[in-house]
Amino acid sequence: GIQVEQSPPDLILQEGANSTLRCNFSDSVNNLQWFHQNPWGQLINLFYIPSGTKQNGRLSATTVATERYSLLYISSSQTTDSGVYFCAVANSGNTPLVFGKGTRLSVIA
Amino acid sequence: DTGVSQNPRHKITKRGQNVTFRCDPISEHNRLYWYRQTLGQGPEFLTYFQNEAQLEKSRLLSDRFSAERPKGSFSTLEIQRTEQGDSAMYLCASSKTAGNYGYTFGSGTRLTVV
Repeated sequence: GIQVEQSPPDLILQEGANSTLRCNFSDSVNNLQWFHQNPWGQLINLFYIPSGTKQNGRLSATTVATERYSLLYISSSQTTDSGVYFCAVANSGNTPLVFGKGTRLSVIA
Repeated sequence: DTGVSQNPRHKITKRGQNVTFRCDPISEHNRLYWYRQTLGQGPEFLTYFQNEAQLEKSRLLSDRFSAERPKGSFSTLEIQRTEQGDSAMYLCASSKTAGNYGYTFGSGTRLTVV
């Protein structure tokens, strides 16, 4: 099945810093989503982004489907951004998402 | 709409007992998914429904696991004869079937088998 690799596995940032998280996948996809899992375990959908670029406040994401990667940008990080960021992909809208192992982000004041 | 609701939030059970979890999806979402997450890992797919039809089951879903979605609304996941290895967070998500397939997850049910 499709493989998803996320990097880096862990990231520590000072509040106010910017960061880029990467997601590589092994096959063509037409469903890609980014999630944030907060310290209480709740998974929040950040972006549905099978291709192109989207922005939502301090977060933006870009997927280059032809090169099989996606990037999540976090600007001016805040302590509330801490948690685990997951990338998840599927070959079609009719197959379930496969998750990567995540990037654990810690933002310190 | 209040989002995806899962009950109970926590469940502690003795090995060998049966447990059942419930998920209420967003009302206009036709698809409902069950995932399992262990410490330090990403969610792993278990099974999913479109309306009342169970369309796919993972190999992770042994014969001790069964899921239902009667009438295409809420879903239940039952684990029979629980084992310590079943201890995990069980997550439910729902999505539409066309357009934006974005998943909305519930808060999960944390199962501890002692």
